[in-house]
Amino acid sequence: DTEVTQTPKHLVMGMTNKKSLKCEQHMGHRAMYWYKQKAKKPPELMFVYSYEKLSINESVPSRFSPECPNSSLLNLHLHALQPEDSALYLCASSQETIGISYEQYFGPGTRLTVT
Amino acid sequence: DAKTTQPPSMDCAEGRAANLPCNHSTISGNEYVYWYRQIHSQGPQYIIHGLKNNETNEMASLIITEDRKSSTLILPHATLRDTAVYYCIVTGGYQKVTFGIGTKLQVIP
Repeated sequence: DTEVTQTPKHLVMGMTNKKSLKCEQHMGHRAMYWYKQKAKKPPELMFVYSYEKLSINESVPSRFSPECPNSSLLNLHLHALQPEDSALYLCASSQETIGISYEQYFGPGTRLTVT
Repeated sequence: DAKTTQPPSMDCAEGRAANLPCNHSTISGNEYVYWYRQIHSQGPQYIIHGLKNNETNEMASLIITEDRKSSTLILPHATLRDTAVYYCIVTGGYQKVTFGIGTKLQVIP
């Protein structure tokens, strides 16, 4: 199974709402990633978790709060977002060994609209 | 990670080979060349990667020059389903991956 699943597929939220994006993989990968992709732009890395610990935060605003409750799940909690945060949010996973790079497997993304 | 340069767009006739170039002149010895593609509104899909030898899998071939400063992704028989943005990425043994603007490949019937 080389699938990364993301829910929901689409999300519309107001600026005062709190919502969460979910990502799941069952490939035994120990690295998981959140990316943000604006229209007609490449994906931009937001966060990386390695063995359930946050290892990279690309200076993302605190209104985005990641969580990795176990090795298969990755959440992105959203609070007080701005309209400019509307984007496709992508989750990815990969194997993890220090000093070795591995390919990443991406989910289909959650299309977020902030009104 | 080393910076990559790709043409912004390319066309390819259906059934012909698509050759997508990538320049990475500042690549260092321990950095790999990865290729991903993103079909419209889907998540990126891993295609192939290599260090210095040419690589082939069921999707594509990767040709890396001897000096490793450039590479070419070859889709041997392009189909309409290969229309996508193709990203060439250079990365070492760590997690941070930086996507460039990629090449938008249009396969023409």
